[in-house]
Formats: sequence, C-alpha cells, structure tokens
Amino acid sequence: DQQVKQNSPSLSVQEGRISILNCDYTNSMFDYFLWYKKYPAEGPTFLISISSIKDKNEDGRFTVFLNKSAKHLSLHIVPSQPGDSAVYFCAASADFRNDMRFGAGTRLTVKP
Amino acid sequence: EAQVTQNPRYLITVTGKKLTVTCSQNMNHEYMSWYRQDPGLGLRQIYYSMNVEVTDKGDVPEGYKVSRKEKRNFPLILESPSPNQTSLYFCASSLGTPKLGEAFFGQGTRLTVV
Repeated sequence: DQQVKQNSPSLSVQEGRISILNCDYTNSMFDYFLWYKKYPAEGPTFLISISSIKDKNEDGRFTVFLNKSAKHLSLHIVPSQPGDSAVYFCAASADFRNDMRFGAGTRLTVKP
Repeated sequence: EAQVTQNPRYLITVTGKKLTVTCSQNMNHEYMSWYRQDPGLGLRQIYYSMNVEVTDKGDVPEGYKVSRKEKRNFPLILESPSPNQTSLYFCASSLGTPKLGEAFFGQGTRLTVV
C-alpha cells in the first residue's frame, strides 16, 4: 500500500525552464513532507521540506507547494540546471512517528 | 565531516550464506534506520532504532535482523539471504522525527543474491 505516490517516473526539461515534480499522498495523518535528491552511486540527500501548517516553502531555486485538501505537493525548480539531473523522492511523515514514507521517485533530466 | 558510512558498497553472494552490512554514523544521532530501494517502489523501511538496544520493525522486515549495541553502529544482518533480497540498501541516521532535522543517508550497498 503506497501511501506516497509519484506518478511520473521521469521528466525531461530544458535548461533554464521550470521543472515541476508532483507527489500525492493518501494518509491524512501525514503532517510533514520532504524532498530528497539522489545522484547515481550516492545516497539520497535532503533538499527541502514543508510543514502542513504552511502551503509554500522556498529555498533559492527550489519551492515546495502543499495542497492539503487535495493531498498533493509539488516541487518547483526555477531555473532548472543540468546539475539538477537526479532522482527526486517525495517523503512524508506523521507527527508521532520517526519514520518517513517515500514515493517511488521521479528521474529528472535537464538538457543543456 | 558528518557522514554515514556503509560497507561493503557492492556484494554478490549465494543463497543461504549469512552476511552483514555495516553502518556507522559520526553525528551522535539517536535514530537510525535501514531502507531498501527497488524499482517502482522507492525506499521502504526495513528496521529502525530509536536508541541503543531499542529496535523495531519497519514495513519490510522479513528476512532481516538488526542490532544496536552502540549508538554509532547499526548493522543489517541477513541470516539466510534469498534472491528476492537483491536490492539497493541504504542506512540513514537522524536526530529523531523529520521535523527535528534531516535524515543523512549512507552511499548505499548494492546486494545481489544468486
């Protein structure tokens, strides 16, 4: 039972354009959401997070939007750079738990 | 440098031959966990530990064991590996809940069981 879903296995965008990665969740107990980035042969690294009390969090070129009513979040990367090419995992956690539930990941390719 | 170190990075073994994947962190984190990554399924938690001598099952614990005798180390043990345990494994550590701080992941161990 995948509680966190990333329905797009891959995404390709041109350098300088916006990348939008989407994530849906089913568990209404989730109240904290994170994005991790993973390069080949490396472990995932934290990118950005958002609490359910917010609908937007921004960090440089990266912005995460949360729509609680739709149980949907998205990661926007503007402008996209070739170095952003990686697999992006969406993750969610509930307040009383230490663990995270991950989506299947979206492979982003940014073409020069 | 803050890091989580896993060994080995690559391992090919035969069915039934016991193996251990080591994990060590240098951040004095209380919470450690093991994940496996499989295509189309993302990262699934195998076991986690909230502190020394405190471990519990994650979503996919069957066929695995763990121990937490010291705060820094959290080895993953496969007593009798089977081909369906062929996967990419990650160890992670953090202060506690994700709200307290990000999880740091090791570089991964690619395991093949033949």
